[in-house]
Amino acid sequence: DAKTTQPPSMDCAEGRAANLPCNHSTISGNEYVYWYRQIHSQGPQYIIHGLKNNETNEMASLIITEDRKSSTLILPHATLRDTAVYYCIVRVGRNTGNQFYFGTGTSLTVIP
Amino acid sequence: NAGVTQTPKFRILKIGQSMTLQCAQDMNHNYMYWYRQDPGMGLKLIYYSVGAGITDKGEVPNGYNVSRSTTEDFPLRLELAAPSQTSVYFCASSYPLGGADTQYFGPGTRLTVL
Repeated sequence: DAKTTQPPSMDCAEGRAANLPCNHSTISGNEYVYWYRQIHSQGPQYIIHGLKNNETNEMASLIITEDRKSSTLILPHATLRDTAVYYCIVRVGRNTGNQFYFGTGTSLTVIP
Repeated sequence: NAGVTQTPKFRILKIGQSMTLQCAQDMNHNYMYWYRQDPGMGLKLIYYSVGAGITDKGEVPNGYNVSRSTTEDFPLRLELAAPSQTSVYFCASSYPLGGADTQYFGPGTRLTVL
């Protein structure tokens, strides 16, 4: 089963780039990597997803290594409102619906 | 669009009581999910549905039941509440497309069983 490993916590200075790593060495060849964040126990918020190529949207950039065993979420200019728990997610199993493995995520604190 | 809505926001139950957590989505998504999140932990899947009339168990289904009679609604039933079911419950929906599956979450229901 594909699962993920993330550091439990990180700090980032306001205005600087926040780089959040994720290891997903057992990911299947055609499975996407998704990133979500959760602020103050609110519902998780979708950020970005990718398969093989790097992706960018209005919230963040996603860099996936060529072997697909790891990825990095980049928040280019972190603000205080980006303080949250960030989850790197892959699907668990191929014949079990679209089950996501959330893990415990990385708690990002943006420091003024 | 309201997205995914959940009611109630908070609820306190006594041991052995029953209740239904409501979840509705107005995005015409065919997939819906129920998760629970215990303090300091990630989300765990309870049940999911790939369409009206079709449901299946997730990682932690014991003590819960679901039904899916319409595309829009996916209620979660607790029959005999136990303290171990104290948690925050999140409903989500998605429309898988091209191999990707982006789930959209509701605001959650905080349940305490005493």
